[in-house]
Amino acid sequence: GESVGLHLPTLSVQEGDNSIINCAYSNSASDYFIWYKQESGKGPQFIIDIRSNMDKRQGQRVTVLLNKTVKHLSLQIAATQPGDSAVYFCAEISGGYQKVTFGTGTKLQVIP
Amino acid sequence: NAGVTQTPKFQVLKTGQSMTLQCAQDMNHEYMSWYRQDPGMGLRLIHYSVGAGITDQGEVPNGYNVSRSTTEDFPLRLLSAAPSQTSVYFCASSTRGARNEQFFGPGTRLTVL
Repeated sequence: GESVGLHLPTLSVQEGDNSIINCAYSNSASDYFIWYKQESGKGPQFIIDIRSNMDKRQGQRVTVLLNKTVKHLSLQIAATQPGDSAVYFCAEISGGYQKVTFGTGTKLQVIP
Repeated sequence: NAGVTQTPKFQVLKTGQSMTLQCAQDMNHEYMSWYRQDPGMGLRLIHYSVGAGITDQGEVPNGYNVSRSTTEDFPLRLLSAAPSQTSVYFCASSTRGARNEQFFGPGTRLTVL
């Protein structure tokens, strides 16, 4: 079936460096992609989204890149801070914006 | 606003028991959804609702029922609990559909013995 997955289960980054979290997806019909952040013991929190007709979108310290040719999504975090330590999930939206499929997650560890 | 609230926070059931996980939101959101999250995995969509009186199945609906009689409430019922349903359950809501920012509740940690 369709799936969304991540290349790296754990990513360790020095504080102040940039982080790149990757995601591969397989449903070429997906309309939308979202990155969520989940801190320990909490529900996911929206970070940034991107439509399937875009290839880049920037937020505050975060950038999402979408490469439809290779079905790849990435989240870039600039100047990573200890508060960025969490599990990051990519999510794929389809079915007329009603269904969401989450990836398995990448744990980001920020080294002070 | 309280946002999305879920009760209980923790629950232990025996195999075969039934129970209802409660979810409520006070943001007047049309879209509500239930997910389960197993250890080391992403969230999987169980059921969702695009408005009062309308529900639909997600990726893993078997063993669960939902109803949406009001905009605010979206309870999830486990009909006959099984150990495979041991998980953390999250409820979420958004203004319109999954593409909008979904606000998640704090989760319910369920253990089925």
